[in-house]
Amino acid sequence: DSGVTQTPKHLITATGQRVTLRCSPRSGDLSVYWYQQSLDQGLQFLIQYYNGEERAKGNILERFSAQQFPDLHSELNLSSLELGDSALYFCASSVGGNPYTGELFFGEGSRLTVL
Amino acid sequence: DQQVKQNSPSLSVQEGRISILNCDYTNSMFDYFLWYKKYPAEGPTFLISISSIKDKNEDGRFTVFLNKSAKHLSLHIVPSQPGDSAVYFCAALNNAGNMLTFGGGTRLMVKP
Repeated sequence: DSGVTQTPKHLITATGQRVTLRCSPRSGDLSVYWYQQSLDQGLQFLIQYYNGEERAKGNILERFSAQQFPDLHSELNLSSLELGDSALYFCASSVGGNPYTGELFFGEGSRLTVL
Repeated sequence: DQQVKQNSPSLSVQEGRISILNCDYTNSMFDYFLWYKKYPAEGPTFLISISSIKDKNEDGRFTVFLNKSAKHLSLHIVPSQPGDSAVYFCAALNNAGNMLTFGGGTRLMVKP
């Protein structure tokens, strides 16, 4: 158990819809990262928040947005969903503002299926 | 543009033998390299790392080798065990320390 909690574990929705994925980082971790893993693909970095502020941005679509709340949990909002958005979405956390040594603690992921 | 590549999607090895997983990168600004292991229905977990100032780092049965001139790193597992069967991701950290880039992963199967 990494200590990172993601909900929901599975989500099935239709094209055009909007969903919200939630992540609670490990106790004491200030940074939250979101990654997308499509079928047979590597982990694509989407966005990072540190103590409530956006810290780094990767290949995140404009239809996607995220935020980190004062209690440090984070939400990833995916809107106008397309079939290609079907993927496993991972949240990870770290203590500091940078991956620094690169050791991130990952949740179990939220599997999104868009029909 | 894939900056971190794992060209072998899968690898099968007999228990007790050596497993060698390879990773290539293109960005010379990467400063730190890591391997993560992922079991089904779980998130990736950190396995071992190496700084760009080193060429080898060892932790028990796991050794990571870095060849900076070739922009290549490899993970050696000796001896391989069935419990090592998982997907292994290579990852690279930029020198600003704020972006971790993952490869596509290699599925390792260790046969008893």
